[in-house]
Parts: sequence; structure tokens; C-alpha cells
Amino acid sequence: AQSVTQLGSHVSVSEGALVLLRCNYSSSVPPYLFWYVQYPNQGLQLLLKYTSAATLVKGINGFEAEFKKSETSFHLTKPSAHMSDAAEYFCAVSDHNFNKFYFGSGTKLNVKP
Amino acid sequence: GAVVSQHPSRVICKSGTSVKIECRSLDFQATTMFWYRQFPKQSLMLMATSNEGSKATYEQGVEKDKFLINHASLTLSTLTVTSAHPEDSSFYICSARARGLSANEQFFGPGTRLTVL
Repeated sequence: AQSVTQLGSHVSVSEGALVLLRCNYSSSVPPYLFWYVQYPNQGLQLLLKYTSAATLVKGINGFEAEFKKSETSFHLTKPSAHMSDAAEYFCAVSDHNFNKFYFGSGTKLNVKP
Repeated sequence: GAVVSQHPSRVICKSGTSVKIECRSLDFQATTMFWYRQFPKQSLMLMATSNEGSKATYEQGVEKDKFLINHASLTLSTLTVTSAHPEDSSFYICSARARGLSANEQFFGPGTRLTVL
């Protein structure tokens, strides 16, 4: 069974500050992990994914995430927040067949000027 | 590339009517399409998985007679909400998995907001 936990349903940072969105997973097999961003009334856009290659994954818009097996975590970071980063972020896990994605409950990021 | 569209983007209907939502992969062939629903302030929940030309596989707790899925071609899947009720109001999102190089990724549509009065 696979599941994802995102700590913090809302995160607020100031523009230019570090963004840290937390994701912990549970999986009976080595997982594939994803971060998606969702803007209001839109679908999901893939930010980055981990598929058992490098543990530090770089994505679009300056985001990156590090897979830490010992901590079962895949936290998303960005060194400097931009106003346009305000959106909802979802962490997801899938098996190696990519048949099913299990999403976390989402974290809404607010960026203050 | 890898664009998925949904139609309509918003629909309002009366209780008891049926609503059809289309999901199209515009520039690739989708071996598998997925349907999710998202309640307000909640995450996406997988409803069903459909492969072209075969019956959809529904997740536990999803009524297959209420949510009819047809994957008639490699670029089109439809979700029909039959006899819709207010509790069916939700944001429905489809995704498609491509044949070939991007088979390890799901491409998501923009979603359809269904409101049942």
C-alpha cells in the first residue's frame, strides 16, 4: 500500500524567502515520487519527479526536491519565493508501473510581498 | 507537446440529469486514461482507470453504474455522471498516459467543474 502525507495545509512565506513544503511517503516498494502544482481552477502541472535516479531532483521554476529513503521524505524546496509561486502543491507517489498515483492532501502556498 | 484537454470546463445541471465530460489527448496517443475527482480543499482521488477498447477499472467505493467511462479511442475518454445529484458536485480531472517515451508520466487535463443544483 502506498500513501502520502503532506504536513501543513497552508504555508506562508515572504517574497524572496526559502520555500519548504514537506512530503512523507509510505510505500511497500521503492516508490516513484512526484510534485505537482495546481493554480486555481486548473489541472495539475508536473514540477519534478523522482524515478530512482539521482536523489536530488531539479524541476521547473527553480524548484527541487531530495529523496531521503531513511526519512521516507521528498520535501520540495525553492531558495527564493516569487509571487507567481502562490498555488497549491501536491506530492504524489506511484508504483513502478505508473498505474496509480496517490496524492497527498495538498499544501497551499501563500507568498507575501 | 503532451496536452490534455477537457470539455466542458464548467457545467451546471439539474439534479437527476446526466452529464458527459470529455477528455482528449491532443498531440499524443494515450494508452491509459485516468479519472480523478477533487472535492473542495481536498486532494485528488482516483476514480477509475481506462484502457482503450476495454472496460474501465474502478476504485473501491466508486459506483461504476453511476460514473460511466468510455475509452473509445486512443485520444478520447468520456466520463458520464448519470442521474447527477448535488453530492456529485466536484472538480473532475482526467489524465492520460502516453505511449512510448513518456509512458512514465501522466499528463493532466485542466479539469471540469460540475455543479449539480
